[in-house]
Amino acid sequence: QVHLVESGGGVVHPGKSLRLSCAASGFTFSTSGMHWVRQAPGKGLEWVAGISYDATKKDYADSVKGRFTISRDNSKNMFFVQMNSLRTDDTAVYYCAKGGLTDWGQGTLVTVSS
Amino acid sequence: SSELTQDPAVSVALGQTVRITCQGDSLRSYYASWFQQKPRQAPVLVIQGENNRPSGIPDRFSGSSSGNTASLTITGAQPEDEADYYCNSRDSSGNQRVFGGGTKLTVL
Repeated sequence: QVHLVESGGGVVHPGKSLRLSCAASGFTFSTSGMHWVRQAPGKGLEWVAGISYDATKKDYADSVKGRFTISRDNSKNMFFVQMNSLRTDDTAVYYCAKGGLTDWGQGTLVTVSS
Repeated sequence: SSELTQDPAVSVALGQTVRITCQGDSLRSYYASWFQQKPRQAPVLVIQGENNRPSGIPDRFSGSSSGNTASLTITGAQPEDEADYYCNSRDSSGNQRVFGGGTKLTVL
């Protein structure tokens, strides 16, 4: 079955960078789009970004455009988000999800705090 | 981007039927998906597309759409259905996805 495992979360100061990873298994990763979705503490879900199966198309939420960059490595079944210029309002659990948002990982917590 | 609007909270008596709605202009062009999230758990897809339930989702969950409104209906609500429910669709450009604010369902 589909298995998605996020890693790379932690505590970081405002203005700094962090890179999250998502390890995928149980499906043909190279033919599936992928997404990052986040959830701030006690708040709702927010779509962050999505990438096509071949990385030719990348879309971002307005709130992260210009600061976050998504990428993938189909040879390693890995999906990434590089988060720069982090702000306190980026504090959230970050989930990776398979195309169509059909399957989700358990999330990794990012805390941006001074 | 566009917005999707949900009622913050809805309650239903055990065994009764409840409808959770999601409104937004982009729903005139794109179907909504629906997600169930229980405390301290990742969201789970319950309805996708016109009215498609992933494997393992009980058939008491169904979806529908009319105009700018998508609906998730639970027919015969069970205690385990108590959760937050989120709708999701594309924005008007088709490039971004957007979630509704979520509806907290209480089963009485």
